[in-house]
Amino acid sequence: KAGVTQTPRYLIKTRGQQVTLSCSPISGHRSVSWYQQTPGQGLQFLFEYFSETQRNKGNFPGRFSGRQFSNSRSEMNVSTLELGDSALYLCASARREIRDGYTFGSGTRLTVV
Amino acid sequence: DAKTTQPPSMDCAEGRAANLPCNHSTISGNEYVYWYRQIHSQGPQYIIHGLKNNETNEMASLIITEDRKSSTLILPHATLRDTAVYYCIVRVSGTASKLTFGTGTRLQVTL
Repeated sequence: KAGVTQTPRYLIKTRGQQVTLSCSPISGHRSVSWYQQTPGQGLQFLFEYFSETQRNKGNFPGRFSGRQFSNSRSEMNVSTLELGDSALYLCASARREIRDGYTFGSGTRLTVV
Repeated sequence: DAKTTQPPSMDCAEGRAANLPCNHSTISGNEYVYWYRQIHSQGPQYIIHGLKNNETNEMASLIITEDRKSSTLILPHATLRDTAVYYCIVRVSGTASKLTFGTGTRLQVTL
């Protein structure tokens, strides 16, 4: 079956710009989570959506936002980009009852210059 | 979620068993132990999880001590493709919620 699809794979943006990343979960998975990975901070939870509602949120500034559509696809947006936002952004999907764990996508590597 | 402690790195010869330990002394009764791994520049991959009984699947075995304060992930015949960072996570199962990743163990499998 198809895995979690993230687009684009690579992105270069300039400070101050905004960016939108997309995630298509595995068919039937209704939960989508987003993570940021940097060399200094490791993997950090951003937020989780379930049935179009944000159910959990990590400790990130309001510049980071997301949404989920009725087909479970999700987008995350980062406004007013800073150099420190350069990271690998990972999306993970799961069924409501995650007995088998999350399935992660390959990520979007964002570079802010 | 309970905190976990893992060694920062380990080496293993190809073909031998890799035993990766994890301490989770503050684990609660309803928290499961999950293992994920991350191969360089890829997303983390789910390996296995368990509550209190030992578990085995096609990828690995999970041994949880009787007091549940520690566990060991066993890769029975490590290959070069098993070189990755392995994360041990404890959390409540049944509802989707965040995963708290620590620094993990970097496993290097060598010839």
